[in-house]
Order: sequence, then structure tokens, then C-alpha cells
Amino acid sequence: EPEVTQTPSHQVTQMGQEVILRCVPISNHLYFYWYRQILGQKVEFLVSFYNNEISEKSEIFDDQFSVERPDGSNFTLKIRSTKLEDSAMYFCASSDQAAGANVLTFGAGSRLTVL
Amino acid sequence: AQSVTQPDIHITVSEGASLELRCNYSYGATPYLFWYVQSPGQGLQLLLKYFSGDTLVQGIKGFEAEFKRSQSSFNLRKPSVHWSDAAEYFCAVVGAYKYIFGTGTRLKVLA
Repeated sequence: EPEVTQTPSHQVTQMGQEVILRCVPISNHLYFYWYRQILGQKVEFLVSFYNNEISEKSEIFDDQFSVERPDGSNFTLKIRSTKLEDSAMYFCASSDQAAGANVLTFGAGSRLTVL
Repeated sequence: AQSVTQPDIHITVSEGASLELRCNYSYGATPYLFWYVQSPGQGLQLLLKYFSGDTLVQGIKGFEAEFKRSQSSFNLRKPSVHWSDAAEYFCAVVGAYKYIFGTGTRLKVLA
């Protein structure tokens, strides 16, 4: 069964450093998403991406964050100048249609720990 | 605003017992509703979904859920829980082209 692959599975970084979280969506999917889950809290929408541009973003997704599809397979989330409160599990998801009457396939997540 | 509430943060059941996880949503139109399960170290796996039609939907692993519009609920049920069902369960509603998740219910299964 096709999977969404995320790397790294766990990253530890110092406050103020930049991190890049990588995702390989399912190959025929066109819509890509990042979600975040702070420990003990709900899974929160960050951003959706289609046709090489952001289609929607939440208030969490400020100038500290950026997304990119650098090639035909990868979808990255960059977090600049990390803060302690950025520590969370970050989930990538993809779908072959815009979210709605459709299903997102999620990756296993990348756990980010900011010290 | 769209929202999802899962009133139970933790639930403990014995293996073989029945299970019901509660989910209430707030959404102005007919919602698209989902249940996902997250096992330790794993991603979010889709259990079942409701888009329209029959209000009782069947999912994987023997789970089912019933959509009740009058109660704004979409509770997840399983008649006999297995030890491997221990995980965290998330209810979600699709609103404005993004998923809105509840806070999750962590299920513990006693042998």
C-alpha cells in the first residue's frame, strides 16, 4: 500500500537553529499538507500546498515557517529560528484531491525537540 | 466555527469488552467525518469515514461509527476490543478544505 514517508523520525535541535523536515508524498498525489501535534494536544493544521504554491495556511504558519517542493518527489517544511514551543510531532499528509470528500494519507511523523 | 470535541481523554477497557468513543462536532453544513487511529510511533491511520448516505459506517479492524445529526455526534464503536486496539483515536471533521481534529482519546486495554 502506498505510504507517505517522513524524515527524520526524530530531530533534536538547539533553540534558534533552523530545521528542515522532509516528506515524500504518494507519487500520484497532488495536494500536500503539514499538521502539527504538540504533546498532549490536538493535531493542528499548518498549511496546504497545491500546484507549487500554498493554498491555505493557519495562523500558526507565520514567517518562521516555509514549505517547498524542491523536486518531483519531496515536500519540505522549514522552520527558521526554532523556539521551545516548536517542539511537536509534525505530520505530512497527501491526497489526490483537495480535502473535502476525500481522504488524507498521513506519514508516521517527525518528532522535533527544541532545547 | 468548526470544531470537534472528544470528551474522554483516557478510556480503559478489558480485552473482549465493548467500546464506544465519543465525538461531537460543530459544523454548519453536512459534515465529512473521519476517525483515525495512531499507534505508538506510527502515523495516523484512517479507520472509517462518513460522507453521506447510510449513517452507520463500517471501517477496518472491526470498528463502526454512527452519524447522528440530531446529536451532532459521530461515535466510534467496537463490540469486542483486542489488546492490539490500544492506541490513540482521533475524530476529525473536514471544514473549509482542511481537517479539524479533536484532542484524541487514548485507549488502554487490560488483559
